[in-house]
Amino acid sequence: AQSVAQPEDQVNVAEGNPLTVKCTYSVSGNPYLFWYVQYPNRGLQFLLKYITGDNLVKGSYGFEAEFNKSQTSFHLKKPSALVSDSALYFCAVRPFSGTYKYIFGTGTRLKVLA
Amino acid sequence: NAGVTQTPKFQVLKTGQSMTLQCAQDMNHNSMYWYRQDPGMGLRLIYYSASEGTTDKGEVPNGYNVSRLNKREFSLRLESAAPSQTSVYFCASSDRAEGGDTQYFGPGTRLTVL
Repeated sequence: AQSVAQPEDQVNVAEGNPLTVKCTYSVSGNPYLFWYVQYPNRGLQFLLKYITGDNLVKGSYGFEAEFNKSQTSFHLKKPSALVSDSALYFCAVRPFSGTYKYIFGTGTRLKVLA
Repeated sequence: NAGVTQTPKFQVLKTGQSMTLQCAQDMNHNSMYWYRQDPGMGLRLIYYSASEGTTDKGEVPNGYNVSRLNKREFSLRLESAAPSQTSVYFCASSDRAEGGDTQYFGPGTRLTVL
């Protein structure tokens, strides 16, 4: 079965430190990969996506993600965390062809401590 | 440009009551989706519509029906609400003409079934 795993329910990081939020997937073929962020009582907002090309993708608010095909991972990173980055982060995958369905991970809550 | 709008924002129902959640998008997207979000379970797809005139079941369609009224609007109906349908419901839209098929989400409807 196709799936997306976010192994950490919560990640705590000190402000100014680098952060990583992990995502691995099990999907056949070459999927499209996404990161979304959700602030309290809000809908999901698009951060970045990987379609093809350079394995390092840059997105909104200084976030970037690294695609690793051999490890089937798409980890979200930021060099210097801000308190305002505290939110719920979702990794999502859409198989390249044959479906309009997306598969979402269960989410990782990021808490940046001042 | 409002993006994706949802009504109502909040709703409380009694078991057995019915209601319709409304969703509209003004981005001329072909595809629209309904998800529910429950703690620890991420987003689960209820129904989607790849294009106007088509609808398909997602991961958790039981107890729900949908209508793609036109290209802009996609409604979700609960015919006989159950406490298990207490959740936050999100509508989203996307278009494969945009490279990578990014989804854009509405603000959500918080539904409580007593």
